[in-house]
Amino acid sequence: QVQLVQSGGEVKQPGASVKVSCKASGYNFGSYGIHWVRQGPGQGLEYMGWISAYNGHTSFAQKFQGSLTMTTDTSTSTAFMELRSLTSDDTAVYYCARGIAWLSSLEYWGQGTLITVSS
Amino acid sequence: EIVLTQSPGTLSLSPGERATLSCRASQSITSNSLAWYQQNPGQAPRLLIYGASRRVTGIPDRFSGSGSGTDFTLTISSLEPEDFAVYHCQQYGSSPVTFGGGTKVEVK
Repeated sequence: QVQLVQSGGEVKQPGASVKVSCKASGYNFGSYGIHWVRQGPGQGLEYMGWISAYNGHTSFAQKFQGSLTMTTDTSTSTAFMELRSLTSDDTAVYYCARGIAWLSSLEYWGQGTLITVSS
Repeated sequence: EIVLTQSPGTLSLSPGERATLSCRASQSITSNSLAWYQQNPGQAPRLLIYGASRRVTGIPDRFSGSGSGTDFTLTISSLEPEDFAVYHCQQYGSSPVTFGGGTKVEVK
């Protein structure tokens, strides 16, 4: 069965960076993309961006241009999301999700990773 | 970007009642690329409906989606106890992908 397993939660200081991993199993990793979505405390879902596991192409929401990097390691079927220059507004649960394409619905989700930004 | 407005913010209903959730877009959504998700506290969202009206395999048929253009609806025909949750709509017809603010369905 399809599974996305994310790395554990972290506490970061303002100005630091965080890198979250998302390990996929149960399907051909290179045939799908990985999307990243975050959810602040008590907030709705906020779309961050997408990476193709086939060729590494990315597309980010404008808000995250310049502070967000997404990569994949096809040898381990793992996707990574790195967010830089963290502020308290970045405190959220970060989810990875599988999508068939750049613009797609998201059928399979990781369990979420809580990133807390605090001094 | 397309802004999605969900209403109501909270829906208070009893088990067995019918729930009607709305998702309105600021501009027409290409190819009815509209999805609905259910989210329980502390859990990841679960895809229920895609393409505005296509139910994901395994989702009970009490869940149905309808609409086109800018106005979409998720209907739960008869609420079961496990249906009390937050529901999100998502458009994926235009970049950037966007989500609505969510509707909480709570027990009256």
